Amino acid sequence: QVELVESGGGVVQPGRSLRLSCAASGFSFRNYGIHWVRQAPGKGLEWVAVIWSDGGHKFYEDSVKGRFTISRDNSKNTLFLQMNSLRVEDTAVYYCARDSLSGYYDSWGQGTRVTVSS
Amino acid sequence: EIVLTQSPATLSLSPGDRATLSCRASQSVSSYLAWYQQKPGQAPRLLIYDASNRATAIPARFSGSGSGTDFTLTISSLEPEDFAVYYCQQRSSWPLTFGGGTQVEIK
Repeated sequence: QVELVESGGGVVQPGRSLRLSCAASGFSFRNYGIHWVRQAPGKGLEWVAVIWSDGGHKFYEDSVKGRFTISRDNSKNTLFLQMNSLRVEDTAVYYCARDSLSGYYDSWGQGTRVTVSS
Repeated sequence: EIVLTQSPATLSLSPGDRATLSCRASQSVSSYLAWYQQKPGQAPRLLIYDASNRATAIPARFSGSGSGTDFTLTISSLEPEDFAVYYCQQRSSWPLTFGGGTQVEIK
């Protein structure tokens, strides 16, 4: 079955960096776009970034543009999110989610928690 | 950016009741709208896509309707496991956006 497992979260000071990973299994990873979606404590869901199946196209939410970079390694079935210049407002659970091939999220990981605090 | 407004924020109902959740878009999203269910401590789960299509393994008591700017998620008869938060999401234009959620709680 489809499985997505995030890792790399933790506590970091404002201005520092963190790299999240999402390991995929149970489906043909190279054929799907994958998103990062985050959820601040007690808040709703917010789309962060997407990378298309071949890695050739990437889109970002405005508040993370220039700070976050999404990438993937199709040979290792892994998605990444490099987060630089972290801000307190980036504190959230970060989920990777598979694109259903039509812009919806049909499978999700369990999430990894990122806390930005001094 | 398309803003999705969900109402009500909280719905207090009993098992067996019918639940009607609303999602209104700030501009037309055609039928490009999905609904998700999220339980505490869990990731969201896709329920409905393209406004009215049930996702894989979603029970028939969940149904979606609407187009343009007004959408509805209906749960025909609430089961104990249906008490959760529900989000709508549009894929009509970038950035993809979610509504603020409706919490369905036990009355």
